[in-house]
Amino acid sequence: GQQVMQIPQYQHVQEGEDFTTYCNSSTTLSNIQWYKQRPGGHPVFLIQLVKSGEVKKQKRLTFQFGEAKKNSSLHITATQTTDVGTYFCAVGGGGGSYIPTFGRGTSLIVHP
Amino acid sequence: DAGITQSPRYKITETGRQVTLMCHQTWSHSYMFWYRQDLGHGLRLIYYSAAADITDKGEVPDGYVVSRSKTENFPLTLESATRSQTSVYFCASSRDRGFEQYFGPGTRLTVT
Repeated sequence: GQQVMQIPQYQHVQEGEDFTTYCNSSTTLSNIQWYKQRPGGHPVFLIQLVKSGEVKKQKRLTFQFGEAKKNSSLHITATQTTDVGTYFCAVGGGGGSYIPTFGRGTSLIVHP
Repeated sequence: DAGITQSPRYKITETGRQVTLMCHQTWSHSYMFWYRQDLGHGLRLIYYSAAADITDKGEVPDGYVVSRSKTENFPLTLESATRSQTSVYFCASSRDRGFEQYFGPGTRLTVT
């Protein structure tokens, strides 16, 4: 199946600092989705990227899809305690593979 | 609007017993998925279904059985539970291939 590496595994930040998580694949991706899971909760869909070089924003969150469609990033500006949770990327492979493979996630811990 | 529900939410069973986890969605989504989530492994796909009576294996199918006689239900059965199947199980649904997934609240299963 599709291989995807997500880094870092954990990130501690002070409230107000920025945060970035990366999702990398060795093969070209058809699309990438990002999900957030709060502690004790279930994954919740945030966004999907499909175009090379695509950048989408949701308030303080910025999502980017690499030009080669092999990597993606999620950047949070000025973190808040409500941003705490694990962020997962889910990648769809090229050639029409429609079953996403999830990365292992990045756990964000925000210290007040 | 119930969305997607899972039952039971918590289950303790003994090694060797059969246990069935239920998943029900009210959106008439075509695709349904079962994942297990363990520390350090993220979300791993067990089985998925593209429509009623169509199922396929995911990354970790051994020891599990699924069926989908109706679009809205996708039960997961552990035929003979083992301790290694202690995990949190999430069911998800998707409108069509390549679309975002909506996750249920999860079932925490402990096998003693």
